[in-house]
Amino acid sequence: DAKTTQPTSMDCAEGRAANLPCNHSTISGNEYVYWYRQIHSQGPQYIIHGLKNNETNEMASLIITEDRKSSTLILPHATLRDTAVYYCIVRVYSSASKIIFGSGTRLSIRP
Amino acid sequence: GAGVSQSPSNKVTEKGKDVELRCDPISGHTALYWYRQSLGQGLEFLIYFQGNSAPDKSGLPSDRFSAERTGGSVSTLTIQRTQQEDSAVYLCASSLAISSTFPYEQYFGPGTRLTVT
Repeated sequence: DAKTTQPTSMDCAEGRAANLPCNHSTISGNEYVYWYRQIHSQGPQYIIHGLKNNETNEMASLIITEDRKSSTLILPHATLRDTAVYYCIVRVYSSASKIIFGSGTRLSIRP
Repeated sequence: GAGVSQSPSNKVTEKGKDVELRCDPISGHTALYWYRQSLGQGLEFLIYFQGNSAPDKSGLPSDRFSAERTGGSVSTLTIQRTQQEDSAVYLCASSLAISSTFPYEQYFGPGTRLTVT
């Protein structure tokens, strides 16, 4: 699997945009970038994914650099409920399709 | 619609006992995955099913761990002769399919917290 590196922790003021970076410099051409988050005591939750174009859904936006070596997850108006560990994952194309989770970024939203 | 459900939500067992953990995937999802998360640790892949077969069991930590899936739906993870190091949250996920060209997103259940005393 291509490895990803994320900051261990970040914080953001409530109502502001939270920008979570991820480096994946060894990503292969046909590997997707996925983001999941895990709120305390819950299972991981899918957020968004992309290949090379920027993507937006009701939860977040994903900005992928042109060289695809890094990406940023944007939560446009962070709320206290967005406090969680955010995982940036590069999905390997194999018959397993298992997710290899790294250590993620612990995002704290301050009131 | 209904998400992935798991039961029990909590299980406390004595060392040496066997336990069974159950997962009900989202209806129509053919792929099912088991992961575990030890306290303060990341998620660790255990096994996945495509239909009723398990092509990848590489994550099972020992032969005390086994899993089965029947009818392409419900799955059971069994741990025999439990040890204290088996204490963790066991998470199940399901997805639409397993494709060689597109990794479908996985939807996770709430997990079963297993405590071995």
